[in-house]
Amino acid sequence: EDQVTQSPEALRLQEGESSSLNCSYTVSGLRGLFWYRQDPGKGPDFLFTLYSAGEEKEKERLKATLTKKESFLHITAPKPEDSATYLCAVQGYGNNRLAFGKGNQVVVIP
Amino acid sequence: DTGVSQNPRHKITKRGQNVTFRCDPISEHNRLYWYRQTLGQGPEFLTYFQNEAQLEKSRLLSDRFSAERPKGSFSTLEIQRTEQGDSAMYLCASSLVSGKLYEQYFGPGTRLTVT
Repeated sequence: EDQVTQSPEALRLQEGESSSLNCSYTVSGLRGLFWYRQDPGKGPDFLFTLYSAGEEKEKERLKATLTKKESFLHITAPKPEDSATYLCAVQGYGNNRLAFGKGNQVVVIP
Repeated sequence: DTGVSQNPRHKITKRGQNVTFRCDPISEHNRLYWYRQTLGQGPEFLTYFQNEAQLEKSRLLSDRFSAERPKGSFSTLEIQRTEQGDSAMYLCASSLVSGKLYEQYFGPGTRLTVT
């Protein structure tokens, strides 16, 4: 069964203080690893897809990287509007469902 | 281009009542998924459709839950004889499986409260 563990569960950052979120996964053949952003009371918003080890994707202050066992979401010089829960999910070959972690809750303090 | 829409956004019901939720996917997407999310947890897969065919259901899905996707367009999720444990956010997602792309795009969710 595909499994995802995210750490830390919660993180408080000062504005401008860069940090990284970790997503460790086990899957029998990775089809894709996905990062989403979720604001309170809303559905997850798609951020990135990573397909193979060594791949990197960037969007504004966010950068996602992938190894064979984990992914990192780096937040560079965060702003208060980056406060959200970041969800990591994997999809294995032969599987059509996403397996999600519990998320990283990030609060950026002005 | 409109995203995934879900109705209603909120539903409060008494235990034992039946409820039905609707999901309208992104128009060109051929796959539609239902997930459930409780507080502090990530979304949990319930079922998915390719066009009008329901191809997979979670083993955890009670037989009180049923989903349909007539004509491969919108989908409905019905919960019969609701229980307090059914209180959660019900999320719908859609995707267009093409080449290497498998991204699922989520709607805003329906928040169900069972009293």
